[in-house]
Amino acid sequence: DVKVTQSSRYLVKRTGEKVFLECVQDMDHENMFWYRQDPGLGLRLIYFSYDVKMKEKGDIPEGYSVSREKKERFSLILESASTNQTSMYLCASYGGVFGQPQHFGDGTRLSIL
Amino acid sequence: AQTVTQSQPEMSVQEAETVTLSCTYDTSENNYYLFWYKQPPSRQMILVIRQEAYKQQNATENRFSVNFQKAAKSFSLKISDSQLGDTAMYFCAFMIHGSGNTGKLIFGQGTTLQVKP
Repeated sequence: DVKVTQSSRYLVKRTGEKVFLECVQDMDHENMFWYRQDPGLGLRLIYFSYDVKMKEKGDIPEGYSVSREKKERFSLILESASTNQTSMYLCASYGGVFGQPQHFGDGTRLSIL
Repeated sequence: AQTVTQSQPEMSVQEAETVTLSCTYDTSENNYYLFWYKQPPSRQMILVIRQEAYKQQNATENRFSVNFQKAAKSFSLKISDSQLGDTAMYFCAFMIHGSGNTGKLIFGQGTTLQVKP
């Protein structure tokens, strides 16, 4: 089974802090994704990566950046956290065979005070 | 634009009864997959069922089945013999191949299902 691990289930940070959310997958998947989940809006794609050091913006990249230095690890960075970034963040990985599902981590519930 | 619409924000069903969650989508692509994901409270999002657009036969997985109407761009999920463990948020999503197999998913807004004892 694919395992996607997010470093924190709950995180509380202050406005203006630099915040790192970490995600690790153990199946050698090429593609990894960061989503933001908000009530009534479903999941919205922030960034995805299709290879080491390769990334592409999703639908809502403003205020975020990402890093993929190793294939198994994909980090989401909030450069200067703001209260409107309080949300649930989900990481996922995808093996590359069309039609196979994405596999998700448990999510990080981030609160910015 | 690629969109997915789940028009039922919340639903409830009595244990052992059947419930149907609706989903419509919009795409001009012909090569795509449709998915239903389940997110139990405070737990991981997991795949419930998937359907390849080229297949006319509706997918089934135990108590879960879909009604795929390609022309109408409709992809509803039927849960039979509902169980308390089915209480969760359900997301409809689709994946297109397009110009590259990125694995990107387009999600609906989600439907919160409560199964009552």
